[in-house]
Amino acid sequence: EDQVTQSPEALRLQEGESSSLNCSYTVSGLRGLFWYRQDPGKGPEFLFTLYSAGEEKEKERLKATLTKKESFLHITAPKPEDSATYLCAVQPRHPGNTGKLIFGQGTTLQVKP
Amino acid sequence: DAGVTQSPTHLIKTRGQQVTLRCSPKSGHDTVSWYQQALGQGPQFIFQYYEEEERQRGNFPDRFSGHQFPNYSSELNVNALLLGDSALYLCASSFGRATEAFFGQGTRLTVV
Repeated sequence: EDQVTQSPEALRLQEGESSSLNCSYTVSGLRGLFWYRQDPGKGPEFLFTLYSAGEEKEKERLKATLTKKESFLHITAPKPEDSATYLCAVQPRHPGNTGKLIFGQGTTLQVKP
Repeated sequence: DAGVTQSPTHLIKTRGQQVTLRCSPKSGHDTVSWYQQALGQGPQFIFQYYEEEERQRGNFPDRFSGHQFPNYSSELNVNALLLGDSALYLCASSFGRATEAFFGQGTRLTVV
């Protein structure tokens, strides 16, 4: 069964304290892995798509990496405005899958000034 | 460029009632997917519409149905509402079989 697990569930950092969020996945074939940011009560905001092991993407203080079993979202020198829930999702490469995303439960990040 | 828009933003319904939620996709997108997100959980796929037909469906009962219009906008209908249907309902749009999906702000449904 296709599955996505994110860890930790919650993370508290001081401003400037770098860290990483983990997304482990089990899928028979991977079409893509996605990272989203979600603020309370809002819809997920697209951050990155990764397609193959070894691929890396960067945006401001965020860097996403991908291996065959997991992805990491590295946050360098975070600021309070980076506080949000970060969601990881995979799109399985099944013949019948036309776009379904399977999400993890998210990691809630709090950055204190 | 308008992104994905959903209406209404909040809704309160009584058990047993029916509800319709609406979604307009991002300009240039022709595919609409619906997700249910319970508090503290990741979104769960309900179904996807393309060319006015349901193309893929998740593990949700037949009480959940949808429609896509010629202008690519979409509706999600839920019949015989249960307390457990209370959630944030998210619409996502994409182009064709492109993998990147963009989400709207969601509709918060509360069933009392």
